[in-house]
Amino acid sequence: QQQVKQSPQSLIVQKGGISIINCAYENTAFDYFPWYQQFPGKGPALLIAIRPDVSEKKEGRFTISFNKSAKQFSLHIMDSQPGDSATYFCAAKYSGAGSYQLTFGKGTKLSVIP
Amino acid sequence: EPEVTQTPSHQVTQMGQEVILRCVPISNHLYFYWYRQILGQKVEFLVSFYNNEISEKSEIFDDQFSVERPDGSNFTLKIRSTKLEDSAMYFCASSVNVFDTQYFGPGTRLTVL
Repeated sequence: QQQVKQSPQSLIVQKGGISIINCAYENTAFDYFPWYQQFPGKGPALLIAIRPDVSEKKEGRFTISFNKSAKQFSLHIMDSQPGDSATYFCAAKYSGAGSYQLTFGKGTKLSVIP
Repeated sequence: EPEVTQTPSHQVTQMGQEVILRCVPISNHLYFYWYRQILGQKVEFLVSFYNNEISEKSEIFDDQFSVERPDGSNFTLKIRSTKLEDSAMYFCASSVNVFDTQYFGPGTRLTVL
C-alpha cells in the first residue's frame, strides 16, 4: 500500500531528446507527488511537484503528467541536456493528519549523451 | 539560498559503537526529518520531529535510534550500537510546515565495519 514503483532503473538519452520516467503508486490517499533530482555526492533536491487536482504541470523543460485513475505519474524532460544527467526519484505523500513521510521510488539514473 | 547542512560527510565506525549524525536545518523551518539510503536502494523514511517530539517514525527507527534537538539550530540522529546493516547514506531534511517541500541536506555516509 505504501509502495511507489519507478521505472526504468536507468535511461540513456541523446542530447536534445525526451527523457521519460514513470511511477505508479498504490495508496489512493497520496495527494502530493514530487520529483527529486540527485547529483552524485549531493542530497535529493526538489525538481517539480504536482497535486492530483491537475493532470499536468510544466516548469521549463520539465513536465509532470498525472493520471489519477491509473494511479500513475511521469516526468518528461524535454530537450535533455548533459547537465540533466543525475538520478531522479519520484515520491508520494499523504497530507493528512499524522503523516509526515515521503515515500520514494527506487530512482532512475539518467545519462544524457552528447 | 538557505540550505540544510550535515556533518560529518563521512563517518566510519566499528560495529557496536555509538554514532551521532548532526544536521543544521534551514533556520525558519519547524519540521525535521531523517531518511536513509542504503547503497543502490531507495531513500527510506526514518523519523520526523516537530515541537521537540517525534511526530512519526518508521519500522526501521527502532530502540537503537534516537533524535534530539539539543539547541536552537542542531538536529541529531544517534545510533546507540551500530550494526553492519546500518551502513548507508543518512539524509536530514526540513520543511516550513507539514505540507511544504522537504529540503534535503547533502547526507552523511556511515560505514560500519
